Amino acid sequence: GEDVEQSLFLSVREGDSSVINCTYTDSSSTYLYWYKQEPGAGLQLLTYIFSNMDMKQDQRLTVLLNKKDKHLSLRIADTQTGDSAIYFCAEPSSGNTGKLIFGQGTTLQVKP
Amino acid sequence: NAGVTQTPKFQVLKTGQSMTLQCAQDMNHNSMYWYRQDPGMGLRLIYYSASEGTTDKGEVPNGYNVSRLNKREFSLRLESAAPSQTSVYFCASSVRQGGWGYTFGSGTRLTVV
Repeated sequence: GEDVEQSLFLSVREGDSSVINCTYTDSSSTYLYWYKQEPGAGLQLLTYIFSNMDMKQDQRLTVLLNKKDKHLSLRIADTQTGDSAIYFCAEPSSGNTGKLIFGQGTTLQVKP
Repeated sequence: NAGVTQTPKFQVLKTGQSMTLQCAQDMNHNSMYWYRQDPGMGLRLIYYSASEGTTDKGEVPNGYNVSRLNKREFSLRLESAAPSQTSVYFCASSVRQGGWGYTFGSGTRLTVV
């Protein structure tokens, strides 16, 4: 079945790079997404990558896609305390239903 | 500000009580969704509405009903609340079925005692 897997926790020091990893199952996914959830808030779309791309860079964020291994990663350069949040990887469900399948979320803790 | 509005933000229910969670979006989106978020389990889809006039079950529909009142509004009803329904509920919308990610509401934190 469809499944998106993430590690649950990552702790880094302020100024370091953070790398959050995700594996997914549906190789036909057109877009893959990263969402950010700050404490007490809903999820916000952080970035996305189209399936025909290997990499996408957006300021401090770099998304890498390895389609062969069905592996997606989010790198945050120069991590700041304001980056502390839960990060969710998501892929569309098969069958064009509009549903997104979310991973369990990775809690990023940034220590000063 | 444009977006997805959920009410209420917090609610405590007794077992067996009923309630309706409200969701409205003002972005003219076609598709709307209800998810629940539980620790360590990510988000699980309860129901969705691909377009006005249609609703479909998601991954965990038992104990819930939905109504797509019009294009803007999509409500979630708990007919007889159970402690297992204690969760944070999120409504989301997207431009079209199958596309372009979601815009989420800020959530409803529900506790059933």
